[in-house]
Amino acid sequence: NAGVTQTPKFQVLKTGQSMTLQCAQDMNHEYMSWYRQDPGMGLRLIHYSVGAGITDQGEVPNGYNVSRSTTEDFPLRLLSAAPSQTSVYFCASSYGTVNEQYFGPGTRLTVT
Amino acid sequence: RKEVEQDPGPFNVPEGATVAFNCTYSNSASQSFFWYRQDCRKEPKLLMSVYSSGNEDGRFTAQLNRASQYISLLIRDSKLSDSATYLCVVLGGGADGLTFGKGTHLIIQP
Repeated sequence: NAGVTQTPKFQVLKTGQSMTLQCAQDMNHEYMSWYRQDPGMGLRLIHYSVGAGITDQGEVPNGYNVSRSTTEDFPLRLLSAAPSQTSVYFCASSYGTVNEQYFGPGTRLTVT
Repeated sequence: RKEVEQDPGPFNVPEGATVAFNCTYSNSASQSFFWYRQDCRKEPKLLMSVYSSGNEDGRFTAQLNRASQYISLLIRDSKLSDSATYLCVVLGGGADGLTFGKGTHLIIQP
């Protein structure tokens, strides 16, 4: 049982490039979410999904897209990277919306 | 706007001491409460859930005060390994997940 996995661990992008951050969980959790963590800002919700085929916006969705074609996978796409998207990105999952969330190890992204 | 407020610290505490920190939340409809621990450059990990009746797990005790809208975490006989950032987490009742406080930084000194 690997829990929540994220790839890559580190990434450097140039402004304007696009990329996909991968997230997968093997716990059969319905709820998955993406957060970014910046110094002094805490964790902020980007997008979330309550089940396969369903996604919704969180607090800071601009510049990001998500999809949930399977229960296991919840990729986050940066459409056109900007320096303001330099951050640490965490994916998380839980059985439902009222349950504790389990986090992946994070992706450290730098946009130059 | 949901708000969860924590004292950022740092709290510098000698090894073996007892330390407590609080967290206040603004949404009176909040349903679930948690304390997470985050080590430097690592992901947050669940420390404990916070129940209405309070709960204890070894050296850690969590309390919920719904009337005053705060939760607390007490650490007894603190260890060097307790040094971390402690995140207060509140579930507001909607589907958009948890609201995280910015964390309290705890440093246990030998």
